[in-house]
Amino acid sequence: GAVVSQHPSRVICKSGTSVKIECRSLDFQATTMFWYRQFPKKSLMLMATSNEGSKATYEQGVEKDKFLINHASLTLSTLTVTSAHPEDSSFYICSARIDRIQETQYFGPGTRLLVL
Amino acid sequence: GIQVEQSPPDLILQEGANSTLRCNFSDSVNNLQWFHQNPWGQLINLFYIPSGTKQNGRLSATTVATERYSLLYISSSQTTDSGVYFCAVDQISNFGNEKLTFGTGTRLTIIP
Repeated sequence: GAVVSQHPSRVICKSGTSVKIECRSLDFQATTMFWYRQFPKKSLMLMATSNEGSKATYEQGVEKDKFLINHASLTLSTLTVTSAHPEDSSFYICSARIDRIQETQYFGPGTRLLVL
Repeated sequence: GIQVEQSPPDLILQEGANSTLRCNFSDSVNNLQWFHQNPWGQLINLFYIPSGTKQNGRLSATTVATERYSLLYISSSQTTDSGVYFCAVDQISNFGNEKLTFGTGTRLTIIP
């Protein structure tokens, strides 16, 4: 149980294009989903927290107009990297939590983004 | 913000050896988790351990919240244990949500 999927697993795009990454909870409903970013050989940094049906809350220093997050249902959240540039290349990981009582986050397999 | 430091940063061991990984944190936390990130990037929950000791097979973890540290023990290492181990602490963010702050990680390599 508690499986989270991400799509695509890997994407290469040209500078200036937008890329959408999907995060789905497959066998549970997630009231909250989280988006993280990880640079090579570095730790995970929280980008934003999204609750179903409401606007995402972004961490300090994360551009909300650059990284658009939509949590349209209890099983789907999307991250859109708008007008991507090479410095946006990274490993993006989502996680999902059932509710605030069951605090464990379940992580997706990640999406590797390379912007040329 | 809270600082979460892990040691050692890198560890290379022969198969069958035992190891202890440490996680220090600079402030009080609600909870602490240990994760294993495999070579493909997938994070796997190992322990949810705000305090006390837990064991799961060859792995065990101990958190001493009053002294702000946690330890992860791996016994009889196998090559499949290779990867990066992260601890992550749970705090209330500026927006009132709980959030995880990840440690710096320990990269473990098990040699056959």
